Amino acid sequence: EVQLLESGGNLVQPGGSLRLSCAASGFTFSSYAINWVRQAPGKGLEWVSTFSARAANTYYAESVKGRFTLSRDNSQNTVYLQMNNLRAEDTAMYYCARGSNGDYWGQGTLVTVSS
Amino acid sequence: DIQMTQSPSSLSAYVGDRVTITCRASQGISNNLAWFQQKPGKAPKCLIYTASSLQTGVPSKFSGSGSGTDFILTINSLQPEDSATYYCQQYNSYPLTFGGGTKVEIK
Repeated sequence: EVQLLESGGNLVQPGGSLRLSCAASGFTFSSYAINWVRQAPGKGLEWVSTFSARAANTYYAESVKGRFTLSRDNSQNTVYLQMNNLRAEDTAMYYCARGSNGDYWGQGTLVTVSS
Repeated sequence: DIQMTQSPSSLSAYVGDRVTITCRASQGISNNLAWFQQKPGKAPKCLIYTASSLQTGVPSKFSGSGSGTDFILTINSLQPEDSATYYCQQYNSYPLTFGGGTKVEIK
């Protein structure tokens, strides 16, 4: 069974940092891209970042470029999203999803940026 | 960036109705389009990928069509459990982009 489990969300002050994790199981992790998608309270879905599969390329939304960094540990079947210089507008539920088409999603982890 | 425009933004229909939601891309995306269903407090769930392929485990009452710039999600025989917000997403090029969502309610 394909499973994705996010963790690391928390309350953080503006300018602070957090590292989110997406742990995967039930499939050949190295063969799939992993996406991060966020949803601010009461709003729609916003793509944040993607770590591609074999080519190991990373892609970022303009709103997070230079502040967020993806890394991937295929031995641990985990993708990490390092988030620095957090802003109030980064407050959202953060989901990871498998593949460009997002065929499986985790349950999400909540990031709140507030003083 | 490719803009995805969904319509309508909300709709209300009766149990048993057939419902259609449209999604238009600002430029051609071939068939690189997915549809998602999201219920309150839950993660999105993939219904359709490559515009018309049904995700494993999704009932056949859901179907997708289209290619290029215009796409449709159809829900046959609407049931109370179909009450949710539906999103389209293109994955033809980065940045990946979502439509604004369509909230489906039952009358």
